[in-house]
Amino acid sequence: GAGVSQTPSNKVTEKGKYVELRCDPISGHTALYWYRQSLGQGPEFLIYFQGTGAADDSGLPNDRFFAVRPEGSVSTLKIQRTERGDSAVYLCASGLMNTGELFFGEGSRLTVL
Amino acid sequence: TQLLEQSPQFLSIQEGENLTVYCNSSSVFSSLQWYRQEPGEGPVLLVTVVTGGEVKKLKRLTFQFGDARKDSSLHITAAQPGDTGLYLCAGMNYGGSQGNLIFGKGTKLSVKP
Repeated sequence: GAGVSQTPSNKVTEKGKYVELRCDPISGHTALYWYRQSLGQGPEFLIYFQGTGAADDSGLPNDRFFAVRPEGSVSTLKIQRTERGDSAVYLCASGLMNTGELFFGEGSRLTVL
Repeated sequence: TQLLEQSPQFLSIQEGENLTVYCNSSSVFSSLQWYRQEPGEGPVLLVTVVTGGEVKKLKRLTFQFGDARKDSSLHITAAQPGDTGLYLCAGMNYGGSQGNLIFGKGTKLSVKP
């Protein structure tokens, strides 16, 4: 597709379960970002990839959160032992370093019961 | 921690009115972006301002970056119902990783016909 694709669009899980959220960026975009947005808040930075490596993971809230981008394209955000406070919309964005413009996906809404 | 404060948090106006929303920080940013987000979608970039004092116009929208690069404003002339949405400002860390784009909480605008 032409835009950033995120799956699943909605995920309901139980407290303590493991969750994976996938992001398929725009073809050719070297930079990939994960943000988390809670109701009534702006997006909160989680992690940023340049190519395959995490250039900045300072926003990951704790060690239950991990993200990978093994081939420099698709990225997966992994959340272990989910807690109710993890409920939010997880946004992925891709872009090019020289433009500074980010293109966001529609997000994956995670609900932890 | 760098913070961006947006005001007002909510704004409800009639079609045809003018409005200004503000984005303020005590920190200097190397650039500042404005996004618009509709329910169920990711933010969409409207503009990037880089130079202190810069003014950019996008049809009925006028964006200004403060001289000290700590604040910005968005002015909409003759608002239309299609302008309804969440307006987010986002600042890039000065000298830091491009990935750490810090968002404000947003101004939720409702334009009634």
